[in-house]
Amino acid sequence: IAGITQAPTSQILAAGRRMTLRCTQDMRHNAMYWYRQDLGLGLRLIHYSNTAGTTGKGEVPDGYSVSRANTDDFPLTLASAVPSQTSVYFCASSELAGDQETQYFGPGTRLLVL
Amino acid sequence: AQTVTQSQPEMSVQEAETVTLSCTYDTSESDYYLFWYKQPPSRQMILVIRQEAYKQQNATENRFSVNFQKAAKSFSLKISDSQLGDAAMYFCAYRGTTSGTYKYIFGTGTRLKVLA
Repeated sequence: IAGITQAPTSQILAAGRRMTLRCTQDMRHNAMYWYRQDLGLGLRLIHYSNTAGTTGKGEVPDGYSVSRANTDDFPLTLASAVPSQTSVYFCASSELAGDQETQYFGPGTRLLVL
Repeated sequence: AQTVTQSQPEMSVQEAETVTLSCTYDTSESDYYLFWYKQPPSRQMILVIRQEAYKQQNATENRFSVNFQKAAKSFSLKISDSQLGDAAMYFCAYRGTTSGTYKYIFGTGTRLKVLA
């Protein structure tokens, strides 16, 4: 059981380049999320998806886009990377399940934009 | 909008002692979930404990327990018999139950150091 996988693990990217961070879950969860983690700021929500075919903006969506063509995959795209997008990116998923309500996280992608 | 505040950027505890991490939140909702997540140096986010707002009983998971004060909007985490493996960043998180979204809001985290 893999849970949530993210690729790549880390990446160095030149400013202005396009980059897609991949996220795949095998738990058949309806909801998926992308966060960025920066020192002193905790985890901030970039985009989310309640179910396949729908997406929504989080707290810091500018410069990022997402798609949710199916239940398992939720890629995050940086159309034209800027140095302020240097961060650790976490993908997560959850299922509304009462007593078992839990958000599961991937291992993260460390991105450095130069 | 909901907010989550962790006012202690860093805490230290002696091995085998007890430590309490603070978390306050702001919401107008009456039903919601609260969580504590642990992030060790491996970077993996691990669920420590979950509390549902409609349950008055404080959640407990082995050495981890919470003090949930709904009226005060406070959700502190107590770690008893602290172990070296407890050293990590701890994040408090909130998830509301209205508006049909599953969005979580995280605090800025508390770094816990465990001293041998």
